[in-house]
Amino acid sequence: AQKITQTQPGMFVQEKEAVTLDCTYDTSDPSYGLFWYKQPSSGEMIFLIYQGSYDQQNATEGRYSLNFQKARKSANLVISASQLGDSAMYFCAMIGGTSYGKLTFGQGTILTVHP
Amino acid sequence: NAGVMQNPRHLVRRRGQEARLRCSPMKGHSHVYWYRQLPEEGLKFMVYLQKENIIDESGMPKERFSAEFPKEGPSILRIQQVVRGDSAAYFCASSRPGSQETQYFGPGTRLLVL
Repeated sequence: AQKITQTQPGMFVQEKEAVTLDCTYDTSDPSYGLFWYKQPSSGEMIFLIYQGSYDQQNATEGRYSLNFQKARKSANLVISASQLGDSAMYFCAMIGGTSYGKLTFGQGTILTVHP
Repeated sequence: NAGVMQNPRHLVRRRGQEARLRCSPMKGHSHVYWYRQLPEEGLKFMVYLQKENIIDESGMPKERFSAEFPKEGPSILRIQQVVRGDSAAYFCASSRPGSQETQYFGPGTRLLVL
């Protein structure tokens, strides 16, 4: 079984500052993938970033980077230079080698960016 | 190059009625996934389908819920005799064969049961 835990129900950040959203995971699969999605108030799910368990380097996509610490089973999302448009719900998710297509999501973190 | 399409975007049903949610995958995608998001919660996997096959339905409630992905036409998630607890956002995602980790999500259908 896989489990994703996001312990921060809500986070606040000042515009232009960096923020880290926490995510820990648990799985018995030797091979897995980790994702972050953004869900703005309009409700759609927007893919942000992906990290494979065998990737040596942390994934980066523009202002988003994934701080992957395999031994700690953590996959924190770092957003640099926050913008007002970053205010949204953020979900961490994973897929395991044996779950074959089934994404497991965390409970989400609401990020609010203040001007 | 249309993305994943879902319709209707919003659906209102009275208790006991049937709800039919449709999902058209992206062009070239033959794998479809359905997820449910209850209020204030993350998405929960329901079912994974390929054309004419159910691959994994471990997240589907045992009663009243069914899903299909016919050879032609969209995938359908059907909820019979809806109850208030079925009120949620239902998301569909699709992927190419062999790329199950790369799932593209539709905009979701918001179901409200009165």
